[in-house]
Amino acid sequence: DADVTQTPRNRITKTGKRIMLECSQTKGHDRMYWYRQDPGLGLRLIYYSFDVKDINKGEISDGYSVSRQAQAKFSLSLESAIPNQTALYFCATSDRTGYWRDTQYFGPGTRLTVL
Amino acid sequence: QQPVQSPQAVILREGEDAVINCSSSKALYSVHWYRQKHGEAPVFLMILLKGGEQKGHEKISASFNEKKQQSSLYLTASQLSYSGTYFCGTDPSGNTGKLIFGQGTTLQVKP
Repeated sequence: DADVTQTPRNRITKTGKRIMLECSQTKGHDRMYWYRQDPGLGLRLIYYSFDVKDINKGEISDGYSVSRQAQAKFSLSLESAIPNQTALYFCATSDRTGYWRDTQYFGPGTRLTVL
Repeated sequence: QQPVQSPQAVILREGEDAVINCSSSKALYSVHWYRQKHGEAPVFLMILLKGGEQKGHEKISASFNEKKQQSSLYLTASQLSYSGTYFCGTDPSGNTGKLIFGQGTTLQVKP
């Protein structure tokens, strides 16, 4: 089974709709991240969380919100989707201790299209 | 703040070598390298830390020049499986785990 899972894998929605993307991990990592990927722009950080009570904005948080329901779950919400939020979204996790500290492990991604 | 990668794209024949560069305007604690194949998630390749330590899963070589705030990834005797987009991620502080990724370098290896 995959260590980092994302649901849904693909989603098409309409402008103005609220949508939630979910991420779960079985790696036992305390840190979780949400990225957005657009062609030619690389991976841009939306939000990150170092534990359940520690959530921080990334580079491009406007129009997004997150919830860390448990150590293993981190959800990304678009309150009112707009077409320029069409992108590939990745969740990632990392451990703050140990030999592989700070190595990020990515989920399979969610392809979101906003019409 | 986003690190700059060069070249943006490179095409090779199997067996040829390539170098991908990552340059930052800020002092760095570490540089991370990832590879993403088309339609897949990025996969960790290597971490290079301030002070010279390197950690990686694969037989890939890289360098980290702390003074110049630059890192280079060396792909030698390239194989078809090396094709993909390579990203560097930089960490200025070393205590946040938060990375800033470059825009990516697309590598295509042809038979």
